Amino acid sequence: GENVEQHPSTLSVQEGDSAVIKCTYSDSASNYFPWYKQELGKRPQLIIDIRSNVGEKKDQRIAVTLNKTAKHFSLHITETQPEDSAVYFCAASTGGAGANNLFFGTGTRLTVIP
Amino acid sequence: GAVVSQHPSWVICKSGTSVKIECRSLDFQATTMFWYRQFPKQSLMLMATSNEGSKATYEQGVEKDKFLINHASLTLSTLTVTSAHPEDSSFYICSARDLKWGTEAFFGQGTRLTVV
Repeated sequence: GENVEQHPSTLSVQEGDSAVIKCTYSDSASNYFPWYKQELGKRPQLIIDIRSNVGEKKDQRIAVTLNKTAKHFSLHITETQPEDSAVYFCAASTGGAGANNLFFGTGTRLTVIP
Repeated sequence: GAVVSQHPSWVICKSGTSVKIECRSLDFQATTMFWYRQFPKQSLMLMATSNEGSKATYEQGVEKDKFLINHASLTLSTLTVTSAHPEDSSFYICSARDLKWGTEAFFGQGTRLTVV
C-alpha cells in the first residue's frame, strides 16, 4: 500500500512568517493529494488539495506544490496567524471514480507564536 | 461542504463488551466510507474502506472479526468493536465520499472509545 511520510513533526514560527510542511509518497499511482487541518478535539478539515496534473495550486495564504518525479509535495502557509496553529496532515490517494484509499502522513503540529 | 455525523462522540465500556459506532452522511449519498483510528498526537491510520452493499476492505494488520463494518445503505456505515479490550481505547473517526463531490472526503466528529 501507499506510504506517506511527513516532516517536520513539529514546527514553530513567529506570526507573519511562512511555514512549510513537506510530504513524500511511495505509490506512483497516487494522483490526488489533499491537506487537512485538525484543531484540537475537532475533525480534520480539508484546506487545499492538488491533483497530479497540476504542479502548483494557491488559495490566498495557502499553496501546495507537487513534484511527481520526486514523489513529494509541500504545503506553504504565508503570513501565518495564531489561528493557523493546528495539526496539519497530508494525504495521498489514487483518486478517480474507483478510488477508495486515502493514506495520511504522520502530521505536523504547527504553532504560530504571536 | 457535505456533512458527516458520527455517534456517539464518546463511549466508555467494560472489557469484553461490544461497542457500535455509527457514521451517517446527512446531505449526500456516501458511496464510500473510511474508518480511521487515531492515537493521541498521532496520525489517522486507515482501518478499512467500505462500499455500500459490499464487504469492507481491511488494511493489513486490522482484524476484520474484531472490527466489524457494515455499510448497509448509502447514508450509514457502522463500526462494531467486538470483545473490546483496553488496548482498543482510541479515537475512531469515519469519513465519507460522494462521487458527485469528487475525491474529497468529509470527516465525522470522531468517537473517543475508552475500554475499562
